[in-house]
Amino acid sequence: AQKITQTQPGMFVQEKEAVTLDCTYDTSDPSYGLFWYKQPSSGEMIFLIYQGSYDQQNATEGRYSLNFQKARKSANLVISASQLGDSAMYFCAMREGGGGSNYKLTFGKGTLLTVNP
Amino acid sequence: ETGVTQTPRHLVMGMTNKKSLKCEQHLGHNAMYWYKQSAKKPLELMFVYNFKEQTENNSVPSRFSPECPNSSHLFLHLHTLQPEDSALYLCASSQQGMGKNIQYFGAGTRLSVL
Repeated sequence: AQKITQTQPGMFVQEKEAVTLDCTYDTSDPSYGLFWYKQPSSGEMIFLIYQGSYDQQNATEGRYSLNFQKARKSANLVISASQLGDSAMYFCAMREGGGGSNYKLTFGKGTLLTVNP
Repeated sequence: ETGVTQTPRHLVMGMTNKKSLKCEQHLGHNAMYWYKQSAKKPLELMFVYNFKEQTENNSVPSRFSPECPNSSHLFLHLHTLQPEDSALYLCASSQQGMGKNIQYFGAGTRLSVL
């Protein structure tokens, strides 16, 4: 079974609107971390936001927020007020175990977001 | 200065060439990573170094040879590559041992093997 599932190969959104990118995960480890990365066509993998499994509140970073629903094992990324520069591939990733010595990230296949003017 | 710098950004090499990829991190991290990203495949972890010591070699062919002289620099030496080795090679760094252990990536080297 896939550990990270991103069901939307491509998404379109109008500039200034909000968009939600879906991510579901599968783990039996009670301690884990969830990450979202943005990869523009230039190739750089840009870290956006992190959610720990024990975090009580949903993570937010500027226009990015993570809708963490632990019981449903989902960690959707919400981008508010989309900008043209948000057009990129977005990857959800998971680290199983605590962040001390565990480092292996499992990445999803990604969602290609296109922001239309 | 960006956090993780990779050079060169683009590289074209023949199968008999020898080349090296360089990665430098300015974040004070203790761990560095090499990843391979091929078209339509998830990121593949290749090598991990913690405090200059290799802690993971993910069954990578010997034509890829990593070197980590210190916690800030990481190299990937390439020799007698195959066309299927053409990919984006990403370097990352993180602070292992505490906290979130978030990996920060460089811009990558896009490698074409002819």
